[in-house]
Amino acid sequence: EPEVTQTPSHQVTQMGQEVILRCVPISNHLYFYWYRQILGQKVEFLVSFYNNEISEKSEIFDDQFSVERPDGSNFTLKIRSTKLEDSAMYFCASSKARTNQETQYFGPGTRLLVL
Amino acid sequence: DQQVKQNSPSLSVQEGRISILNCDYTNSMFDYFLWYKKYPAEGPTFLISISSIKDKNEDGRFTVFLNKSAKHLSLHIVPSQPGDSAVYFCAALSGGGADGLTFGKGTHLIIQP
Repeated sequence: EPEVTQTPSHQVTQMGQEVILRCVPISNHLYFYWYRQILGQKVEFLVSFYNNEISEKSEIFDDQFSVERPDGSNFTLKIRSTKLEDSAMYFCASSKARTNQETQYFGPGTRLLVL
Repeated sequence: DQQVKQNSPSLSVQEGRISILNCDYTNSMFDYFLWYKKYPAEGPTFLISISSIKDKNEDGRFTVFLNKSAKHLSLHIVPSQPGDSAVYFCAALSGGGADGLTFGKGTHLIIQP
């Protein structure tokens, strides 16, 4: 069964450094998403991406974040200058269409630790 | 502002019995609801969903009930199996054109032998 994959599974970085989290969505899906879960808290929506542009973003998704689909398969989340509070699990998800028609399927996550 | 609330952080059920997980919401714009299951160190796995035009959806051992007037939904798992032990998240989507799911904090279901 097709699945969303994410790399790396773990990332440790120093505060102020840039990180790029990578995702390969399910191949015939058109909508892509990033979510995060800070330890002990709920999963929070960051951004959605469709047709090579941001479709929606939350207030968490500020100027230090960016997303890109550099080729036909990868979807990336870049954090320009990491802060301690960016430490979290980051989940990528994809769907064939908007969720009230199609379900969002999640990847296994990247655990980001900012020191 | 908790628009989706799962008030039970944990629930313990005996194997073979029914597990009932509850979820309440406050946003009247939500029109699609999903349940996800999550094991440690893994991403959320989709279980079952329901549109606001329905009041029940069933898939094997899993049934979701929606009470729109009470803004309440529940997930029934019957019979409960040891592999069902996980954290269950309720999530909702607004019909107002939003893409992002709003999640509850989750309920940790423990199935006891």
